[in-house]
Amino acid sequence: QITLKESGPTLVKPTQTLTVTCTFSGFSLSASGVGVGWVRQPPGKALEWLALIYWNDDKRYNPSLSSRLTVTKDTSKNQVVLTMTNMDPMDTATYYCGHTILARKFDNWGQGILVTVSP
Amino acid sequence: DIQMTQSPSTLSASVGDRVIITCRASQSISGWLAWYQQKPGKAPKLLIYDASSLESGVPSRFSGSGSGTEFTLTISSLQPDDFATYYCQQYNSYPRTFGQGTKVEVK
Repeated sequence: QITLKESGPTLVKPTQTLTVTCTFSGFSLSASGVGVGWVRQPPGKALEWLALIYWNDDKRYNPSLSSRLTVTKDTSKNQVVLTMTNMDPMDTATYYCGHTILARKFDNWGQGILVTVSP
Repeated sequence: DIQMTQSPSTLSASVGDRVIITCRASQSISGWLAWYQQKPGKAPKLLIYDASSLESGVPSRFSGSGSGTEFTLTISSLQPDDFATYYCQQYNSYPRTFGQGTKVEVK
């Protein structure tokens, strides 16, 4: 059974850097084809794809945010970390991580973490 | 980026109704499309992948079709548990993109 869970701060100040950790079980991020991606959703709005990291450490970012995003993995800890710099109130959203094979469908999602950006 | 446009944005329906949601891509994505269901305060749930393949455990009243730029999600007989928001997502190219969502509400 695949499970994922996001953790991190729920409140950050403008200009700060957000670090969100996705801790997962039930799969290995060393296995060929496996990836973990990040999606966010502002309150009442649609889903937005942010980034993805593959089993081989290949990374993909949404170009609209790529200058602010970094995704890394720690295979031994079964964790993926998303960092987003220079946070703004417009970045207030629920941040989800998800399991994917070959970066296609997200077949399993974390519960999400609501991050509020406010002074 | 490939733009995904869903219609309608909101759909009012009754239990037992046949519901059809459309998703259009701004360029061809072959069959690389997924559909998700999301309920308030919950993570999205995968329903359909590769445009027409039913995810394991998803009721057979859900079906998907289409290829290229036009896709549909059909709920053959709407059930009380199906009132939710539905999103399409393309995975033909980066960045992956989602539609704006279709809310299925009680008529």
